[in-house]
Amino acid sequence: EAGVAQSPRYKIIEKRQSVAFWCNPISGHATLYWYQQILGQGPKLLIQFQNNGVVDDSQLPKDRFSAERLKGVDSTLKIQPAKLEDSAVYLCASSQTRGKPQHFGDGTRLSIL
Amino acid sequence: QKEVEQNSGPLSVPEGAIASLNCTYSDRVSQSFFWYRQYSGKSPELIMSIYSNGDKEDGRFTAQLNKASQYVSLLIRDSQPSDSATYLCAEYSSASKIIFGSGTRLSIRP
Repeated sequence: EAGVAQSPRYKIIEKRQSVAFWCNPISGHATLYWYQQILGQGPKLLIQFQNNGVVDDSQLPKDRFSAERLKGVDSTLKIQPAKLEDSAVYLCASSQTRGKPQHFGDGTRLSIL
Repeated sequence: QKEVEQNSGPLSVPEGAIASLNCTYSDRVSQSFFWYRQYSGKSPELIMSIYSNGDKEDGRFTAQLNKASQYVSLLIRDSQPSDSATYLCAEYSSASKIIFGSGTRLSIRP
């Protein structure tokens, strides 16, 4: 079974620029999550999709972050404009459905200069 | 905001001993709990899930859940240097939210 695929693995941009991350979940997994993990902290949920609908985006900074999962499969997360405090690893995870164990992708390490 | 709390460590355990990791949570109605292991520079990987009171064993790992006291723990028997990592506790809360603790750093000394 193929795991969760994410790209790119690394990204370096300057503040105020925009960036986008892509995620393809495990086949058949209905629930998709985007997390932000700052060094030394646990993952912080940004947004959770169930199929192509948003279940929880309460911690997503909506003035600069957006995410979509149009066909209920792969997803993109965008930051525009980026701030220095957005430097983190962005993790995508999927699960069969809500409440089930999650499987994580390798993450994207974002550095803002 | 419901919380999941873990001691950040580091917890240092000699090789071959039992490592005990603990986690407390504030949502009395939470039903599902997960332990993940995260090596430095890597993404979290699932070790165990536990849904009911009591113990659940899988190889060298045992998860323990006590809903009355609102804690969940992970025991690692016969600790190996390869067990050195950060261990993350997570709950699936009554509000259908996944909440992670900040993790406990475990170091197994030879």
